[in-house]
Amino acid sequence: AQSVTQPDIHITVSEGASLELRCNYSYGATPYLFWYVQSPGQGLQLLLKYFSGDTLVQGIKGFEAEFKRSQSSFNLRKPSVHWSDAAEYFCAVDAGGGNKLTFGTGTQLKVEL
Amino acid sequence: GAGVSQSPSNKVTEKGKDVELRCDPISGHTALYWYRQRLGQGLEFLIYFQGNSAPDKSGLPSDRFSAERTGESVSTLTIQRTQQEDSAVYLCACRQQETQYFGPGTRLLVL
Repeated sequence: AQSVTQPDIHITVSEGASLELRCNYSYGATPYLFWYVQSPGQGLQLLLKYFSGDTLVQGIKGFEAEFKRSQSSFNLRKPSVHWSDAAEYFCAVDAGGGNKLTFGTGTQLKVEL
Repeated sequence: GAGVSQSPSNKVTEKGKDVELRCDPISGHTALYWYRQRLGQGLEFLIYFQGNSAPDKSGLPSDRFSAERTGESVSTLTIQRTQQEDSAVYLCACRQQETQYFGPGTRLLVL
C-alpha cells in the first residue's frame, strides 16, 4: 500500500530564513503529488502539485517543490519565510485514477520573529 | 466562484447520539470525498463518490459510519451511536482536474 512520510513533526525557523519540509512516498509508480497548508481552524489550501514534466514546480505564496524520482521525495521549499507561513503542512499522494489521497502526518511550522 | 462549504462548523454531542454532517460541493465537480482528521494526525480517507457510480466506502472505519450523495449535489456523512474516538475534524473535498479542493471542515466533539 502506498504511504507518505513527513519525518519532521515540528520545525521552527526564523522569519526570513529558508525552509525545506521533507516528504517521501512509497509507491511503485510516480503518483500525483501535492502539498497542502492548513492554518488553525481552517481547511486545507492547495500550495502546489506535480503530475508530470518539469520536476521543479512553483506554487502559491512563494513556495516551490522538487520531485526526485530516485529518492521518492517531493520536498517543499521557500527561500524566505514570513511569519504568516506558520501553519501545518501536509504532503499527499494520489496513486492514480483521481481516487483518494494518502496524506502524511503533517509538519507543524513555527516562525520566530 | 464559491468553494466547498460544510455545516455545521462545530458540533458537540453526547456519546451514543447520532450526528449528521453536511457538505455542499463546488457546482459541477462530480467527485466528492470525505476525510477524517484526528488531533495531531494526517487525514484519513473515508468515502468517495463519483457521479452515479457506486461509492468507494473502503475507508469507513465501522458500520456506524455512512454517507449519501444525491446526484452531484449535497452529501451527508452520518455517524450513528457516536463514540469518543469519533471526535475529529471531518473534511469534505471535491475534485477538478485531478486536484482536490477542501472545505473548512466540521469539528466534532463527542463527550
